[in-house]
Amino acid sequence: GAVVSQHPSRVICKSGTSVKIECRSLDFQATTMFWYRQFPKQSLMLMATSNEGSKATYEQGVEKDKFLINHASLTLSTLTVTSAHPEDSSFYICSAKSGSWGTGELFFGEGSRLTVL
Amino acid sequence: DAKTTQPPSMDCAEGRAANLPCNHSTISGNEYVYWYRQIHSQGPQYIIHGLKNNETNEMASLIITEDRKSSTLILPHATLRDTAVYYCIVRDSGNTPLVFGKGTRLSVIA
Repeated sequence: GAVVSQHPSRVICKSGTSVKIECRSLDFQATTMFWYRQFPKQSLMLMATSNEGSKATYEQGVEKDKFLINHASLTLSTLTVTSAHPEDSSFYICSAKSGSWGTGELFFGEGSRLTVL
Repeated sequence: DAKTTQPPSMDCAEGRAANLPCNHSTISGNEYVYWYRQIHSQGPQYIIHGLKNNETNEMASLIITEDRKSSTLILPHATLRDTAVYYCIVRDSGNTPLVFGKGTRLSVIA
């Protein structure tokens, strides 16, 4: 089946630094990717929708200048957490759909756990 | 906001069928019912989805009531590896993302 891969799976950084998380669709072209965030013992919260070649659409309450999303190709989207602080520590998950996806499954990455010290 | 209501937790004995209910009383005619599960510290895994007919695949069966206001996910022979949080989600067929509720934490007990 289709696979979505995230890298890194775990990252620890110092407060004030920036961290980039990659999301790749391995065997299909993803015209749209979604980024989610999950805090401990909570559900997944949608952060933004990323369309290839255009600006991302952010959910209410998500700072676009803090969470930079780039979807420059049909197989890669990146999420950069800028000037990270301890409250940004979370599990970040991407998902992707192919151009023809309408009612089929949405594929999820393995997630990236960010710890900001 | 999630459009579904699920019990927060359930237990199931290993080898028995796990029946996970979901209420979606405000579902509209063009919305599908999706089930995903999330094992600890992993990304969500697709299980099954359906519109109005019952569906079955190698992982589970999905039973949707005739009025479509509720559904049940059935894992026919639960194993310890089925311990996870199970999410019932309704969405239409467009480009909308999956919106997750709180799900049901299923614990399969030996």
